[in-house]
Amino acid sequence: QQPVQSPQAVILREGEDAVINCSSSKALYSVHWYRQKHGEAPVFLMILLKGGEQKGHEKISASFNEKKQQSSLYLTASQLSYSGTYFCGTPPALIFGTGTRLQVFP
Amino acid sequence: NAGVTQTPKFQVLKTGQSMTLQCAQDMNHEYMSWYRQDPGMGLRLIHYSVGAGITDQGEVPNGYNVSRSTTEDFPLRLLSAAPSQTSVYFCASSYGGTRGEQFFGPGTRLTVL
Repeated sequence: QQPVQSPQAVILREGEDAVINCSSSKALYSVHWYRQKHGEAPVFLMILLKGGEQKGHEKISASFNEKKQQSSLYLTASQLSYSGTYFCGTPPALIFGTGTRLQVFP
Repeated sequence: NAGVTQTPKFQVLKTGQSMTLQCAQDMNHEYMSWYRQDPGMGLRLIHYSVGAGITDQGEVPNGYNVSRSTTEDFPLRLLSAAPSQTSVYFCASSYGGTRGEQFFGPGTRLTVL
């Protein structure tokens, strides 16, 4: 079943922070995060694994709560380049969430 | 390395026609998958493969066939195109299955009239 993301859309000024949430109705053992800019393919940001291991982007942080079946992506001091649509994905066959559109303005 | 390549980049079909979308990767990845993305929507998994000779269905497999005869190639066949299959199709591959970073191809934009 498709993970649910919130909020659906976020508008920020440069330098502001944002949190994007991902919830699943099934047990999670890892969560992926990707960003997609308009007209382009999705690009890998991060994987969070059971037990706390993280692999990915140095400037983006995330949390993974296995018991609550949730993950959150933290974007701090946002830059114009952060604009795009963010997707979480849950294995085993990677199913992507509903997406969160983030727009950062000067 | 070329990474993940997809051909064609654009395609227009008439209802009822069949065609094959090509996907190839040169990273020796065992795991490959196909997604479709409708305008303004998210990515939906069509089919995936964990290795040569092994394929499985994703969320929206109806109307599509796949096969995996080599590690490098994972073609997607549309059997009888319908307007509802108008979409952008992305192929992805990874090392380590879904424990690893997914590398996406540039996509094929398909329009069915």
